[in-house]
Amino acid sequence: GDSVTQMEGPVTLSEEAFLTINCTYTATGYPSLFWYVQYPGEGLQLLLKATKADDKGSNKGFEATYRKETTSFHLEKGSVQVSDSAVYFCALRGGSNYKLTFGKGTLLTVNP
Amino acid sequence: DGGITQSPKYLFRKEGQNVTLSCEQNLNHDAMYWYRQDPGQGLRLIYYSQIVNDFQKGDIAEGYSVSREKKESFPLTVTSAQKNPTAFYLCASSIARVGNEKLFFGSGTQLSVL
Repeated sequence: GDSVTQMEGPVTLSEEAFLTINCTYTATGYPSLFWYVQYPGEGLQLLLKATKADDKGSNKGFEATYRKETTSFHLEKGSVQVSDSAVYFCALRGGSNYKLTFGKGTLLTVNP
Repeated sequence: DGGITQSPKYLFRKEGQNVTLSCEQNLNHDAMYWYRQDPGQGLRLIYYSQIVNDFQKGDIAEGYSVSREKKESFPLTVTSAQKNPTAFYLCASSIARVGNEKLFFGSGTQLSVL
């Protein structure tokens, strides 16, 4: 079945540092890939998505590129801010699959 | 404003008691979902519904039940058969039932056992 493996946290960075959170997946067919963010005590919000190979999703300075050859969708940001502190989830959804399959989440803490 | 509303925000369950978590959306979405979130385990799908009066089990449906009598409502009942109910429960909805449509999430309900 479908699965998502993402980098275990927690990740602690200083403000303006470079961020990478690794995500790899296993799926049949051609899934859509997503990054969701969860702030403390809240639900999840979509951060970015990519629907086919070589697509790059981007939002709020975050980027991720759909790499079919390495089955990866790593999240990057060039300069993190304290307000980026949250839990980040990588997820996939198969073309004929109703459900979204999530990774275990990575807690990011950014210190001033 | 359109969105998904979950209530209550915090809920306590006594031994042997059934409790119901509410989820309402005014986004006119066909599909709705319930996820359970445990620390370090990510989100796991409990039940989902593609359309009114229809729903399917997810990966961890045992000890839970749902109904979908109205398009905008998808309540989740945690029954006494669920032996480890303490978790954060998230409801979500989406426009389309498949493909690249994103999910919209509610703000969650934290369920604890007394």
